Amino acid sequence: AQKVTQAQTEISVVEKEDVTLDCVYETRDTTYYLFWYKQPPSGELVFLIRRNSFDEQNEISGRYSWNFQKSTSSFNFTITASQVVDSAVYFCALMPGGSYIPTFGRGTSLIVHP
Amino acid sequence: DTAVSQTPKYLVTQMGNDKSIKCEQNLGHDTMYWYKQDSKKFLKIMFSYNNKELIINETVPNRFSPKSPDKAHLNLHINSLELGDSAVYFCASTTGKAGELFFGEGSRLTVL
Repeated sequence: AQKVTQAQTEISVVEKEDVTLDCVYETRDTTYYLFWYKQPPSGELVFLIRRNSFDEQNEISGRYSWNFQKSTSSFNFTITASQVVDSAVYFCALMPGGSYIPTFGRGTSLIVHP
Repeated sequence: DTAVSQTPKYLVTQMGNDKSIKCEQNLGHDTMYWYKQDSKKFLKIMFSYNNKELIINETVPNRFSPKSPDKAHLNLHINSLELGDSAVYFCASTTGKAGELFFGEGSRLTVL
């Protein structure tokens, strides 16, 4: 069975602070994929990143960075110098290699205050 | 061009009614999904449809039925609506295994 835990229900920061959103997953598969999605207040779900289980390199995209550590089954997401526009619900998801169906975490609501 | 489109975006109806939500994707994807997002933002998979194979989440009541007239469409039909069906329903599609999902804008269903 697959499981994704996002223990932080809500995080509140002030603009320009750095913030890390945690994601811990459970799977018995050796091949799997991890994702992050963003859901801004407007409601749409936007894909941010996908990593496969064989690639533990960290990734940076502008102010966003992701830290994938198989040893701790974590795929954490850091926003550097947060902005009000980063306010959204962020979902981590896991998909086994042979599956079409991702399992989503319950999401972390990030509120960035000006 | 909208990649995954859902209609209607908002739907308000009475308990006991039957309603449908339509979904179309123009991405050429083979796999489509329906997700339900409740008031706490939890995303629950309802159905996935790949090459005519339907995978149903066993916790979904049989009042919900997906219908796929072709690869680009996956509609959701709901019979005998209940208050607890009020939610945002998202359609999504993907290229295949391990692909990222492309979501529609969601359809907010309110059952009175």
